[in-house]
Amino acid sequence: KQEVTQIPAALSVPEGENLVLNCSFTDSAIYNLQWFRQDPGKGLTSLLLIQSSQREQTSGRLNASLDKSSGRSTLYIAASQPGDSATYLCAVTDTNAGKSTFGDGTTLTVKP
Amino acid sequence: SAVISQKPSRDICQRGTSLTIQCQVDSQVTMMFWYRQQPGQSLTLIATANQGSEATYESGFVIDKFPISRPNLTFSTLTVSNMSPEDSSIYLCSVGLGWEQYFGPGTRLTVT
Repeated sequence: KQEVTQIPAALSVPEGENLVLNCSFTDSAIYNLQWFRQDPGKGLTSLLLIQSSQREQTSGRLNASLDKSSGRSTLYIAASQPGDSATYLCAVTDTNAGKSTFGDGTTLTVKP
Repeated sequence: SAVISQKPSRDICQRGTSLTIQCQVDSQVTMMFWYRQQPGQSLTLIATANQGSEATYESGFVIDKFPISRPNLTFSTLTVSNMSPEDSSIYLCSVGLGWEQYFGPGTRLTVT
């Protein structure tokens, strides 16, 4: 059974800092990994998708990497802004069954 | 990409009653997924809904409590039956298109 762990559970940084969120998973078979953002009381916003054959994806200030051999992914946020404050969720998707297993999330607070 | 809508967006219900949540997708998809997000927690998969067959439930979820319909390739419903305060959660439907998972905005359910 796939298990997904996110570290840290919470993170508070001053504006402008670069930061790294971590995600680890137990089953490194053929899966895609997706990072989401969730604002309080809201739904999920997809940030980045890394297919199982890929190592990295970038979008603006965000960069996500995937190391299947070690079962790890990182989300790098450059030059953090108060608007980045949210909960970040890592989800590993079984591409055959189509269903996703989520980590517990990292709650990020960026202080002005 | 996929655009997913859910109805209702939120509801407050009394203990012992049932609520049916609707999910509409703007594309035809084989599989639709229903997730639950309890307060302060991450997402947990309830079941996978395939058009023309019985839904497949995850461990800990049963059809009597969460009956699902999937009448066509763009629509599904999830019913939360005989509700108790422990059912207070956000319920989200999801589909996979290409390599990516898309989520609806969620239905926030409060049971009193």
